Order: sequence, then C-alpha cells, then structure tokens
Amino acid sequence: EPEVTQTPSHQVTQMGQEVILRCVPISNHLYFYWYRQILGQKVEFLVSFYNNEISEKSEIFDDQFSVERPDGSNFTLKIRSTKLEDSAMYFCASSRPTGGNQPQHFGDGTRLSIL
Amino acid sequence: GEDVEQSLFLSVREGDSSVINCTYTDSSSTYLYWYKQEPGAGLQLLTYIFSNMDMKQDQRLTVLLNKKDKHLSLRIADTQTGDSAIYFCAESMGYGQNFVFGPGTRLSVLP
Repeated sequence: EPEVTQTPSHQVTQMGQEVILRCVPISNHLYFYWYRQILGQKVEFLVSFYNNEISEKSEIFDDQFSVERPDGSNFTLKIRSTKLEDSAMYFCASSRPTGGNQPQHFGDGTRLSIL
Repeated sequence: GEDVEQSLFLSVREGDSSVINCTYTDSSSTYLYWYKQEPGAGLQLLTYIFSNMDMKQDQRLTVLLNKKDKHLSLRIADTQTGDSAIYFCAESMGYGQNFVFGPGTRLSVLP
C-alpha cells in the first residue's frame, strides 16, 4: 500500500538554526498537510497545501514557517530561527478527494529536537 | 472553536472488548476518524465514519456515532496485546480541510 514517507526520522539542531523537514506524499494525492505534536500534547494542525499554494494555516504557522513543493514529489516544511519550543514530532499527511471521503494518510513523523 | 475530547487512559484484559469514547463540539463536522499511534510511530488510519451514518463495522472495529450528542465511540472486539497504543479521534469538515484531533486515549491491554 502506498505510504507517506518523511525524512529524516530524527533531526537535532542548535537553537537559531534553520531546518527543512521533508515529505514525499502519496503520488496521486492532491492535498498536503503538516501537523506537529509536542511531547505529551495533542496533534496540532499547521498548514494545508493545494494546487501549489497554502489553502489554510493555523495561528502556529507564523512567518517562521514556510512550505514548498519544489518538484512533483517532495513537500517540505522549513522552520527558520528555530526555538526550543519548536521541539516536537512533525507529521506530514496527504489526501486525495474522491467522492467526498478525505482520509488523510500520515507519515511516521520527524522528531525535531532543538538544543 | 472546534474541540475534541477523549478520556486519556483505558485498561482492559486481553480478550475483552474495549470502548474508546470521543466528544466533539462542531456540529458541522462531516467526517470523523480514528487513528492509532504505536510508540515512536506515526498515525495509522483505522477507520472513519461519515456524519450521516450511525454505525460502521470493520472486522473487530465498530464505530458508533450519536450526532445529536456529538459522541463518537470505537469498540475493539477481542482486544489483543498488539492493540496497546494511543487512539486519536479526529474530525474534519471535508475537502482539504484540516483535522482537529483529540488528546488521544492510551489503551493498555493486560494479559
């Protein structure tokens, strides 16, 4: 069964540095998402992306964050000037609208640790 | 705003049925989902229900939806040790809409 793949599985970065989290969504999917899960807390929506532009974003997704689909397969989340509180598990998801049912398929996540 | 709540912990004996409950606030939710997260892993889609349905059965899993009370439940029959995980309820308004997740219910299956 097709999967969403995320790399790296674990990223350790110094505070203030920039990180890029990578995702390869399922190939025939049209909507792409990023979520994050701070340890012990809820899974929170960050941003959704459709037709090469952001379709929705949460309050968390401020100017520090950006997303890009640089080619036909990758979907990236860039975090600039990382802060300690950016430490979390980041999940990528994708979905394909078919007949109204929109299950989102999630990757295994990237654990981001900011030191 | 939208909110999804779940009880945080549930313990059952192997072979018993587990019932995980979820309540949500947004009556315009179109789809409701259950995801499973094993330790260190991602979110695995288990099942989903459309808001015009009351019940959906999928092998050992039964989803019940009470739209009037905005209550969703997941029943796992013949619970096994491999079912030990965190179970997340999530709601969505539909096409391309973000999911709102509950806090997750940690299911522990005792031998």
